Amino acid sequence: DAKTTQPPSMDCAEGRAANLPCNHSTISGNEYVYWYRQIHSQGPQYIIHGLKNNETNEMASLIITEDRKSSTLILPHATLRDTAVYYCIVPPPGGTSYGKLTFGQGTILTVHP
Amino acid sequence: DTAVSQTPKYLVTQMGNDKSIKCEQNLGHDTMYWYKQDSKKFLKIMFSYNNKELIINETVPNRFSPKSPDKAHLNLHINSLELGDSAVYFCASSHRTITSSYNEQFFGPGTRLTVL
Repeated sequence: DAKTTQPPSMDCAEGRAANLPCNHSTISGNEYVYWYRQIHSQGPQYIIHGLKNNETNEMASLIITEDRKSSTLILPHATLRDTAVYYCIVPPPGGTSYGKLTFGQGTILTVHP
Repeated sequence: DTAVSQTPKYLVTQMGNDKSIKCEQNLGHDTMYWYKQDSKKFLKIMFSYNNKELIINETVPNRFSPKSPDKAHLNLHINSLELGDSAVYFCASSHRTITSSYNEQFFGPGTRLTVL
């Protein structure tokens, strides 16, 4: 699995954009970048994923650098409910390890009023 | 409608006992997983089943035995419970596709197991 590195914690003011970085310098050409989050006492929740193009959905945007060695998850207008641990994951591309999500320490995002 | 449900939500038991945690998904997925989140909050995959067939087994002690009676259910049975088994156990499900282009996993609410 490609290793990912994230800052341990970040703060964001409510209503502002939250930009969460992730380094994945060992990523290979066919590996996707996934983002999940875990709100306190809940199960993890899928946010978004991408390969090399920028992606956007109703929850967030994902910006992947051209060399694919890093990415940024953007929550455009953070709310208090976005306070959670955010995980950047690069799962193995297939075979017997398909579906294996390796959760690191993630980034604790605290959104404050 | 709950997509992935687990029972019980809380489980408190004595060392040495045998217990089961049940998981059900109504999403029509063919792959289900069990994860363990310990006191340090690290979330690790334990097992994965596809169409009732074991496809991932992450060096979990033999005391843990997953059982999948059908595609919609993946239960976790734990024998001879130990203090170190105390954790939150999450069930998840997804579609399995040939490529990795889409593997959104849906997680259940978790079962908090406390072994005394």
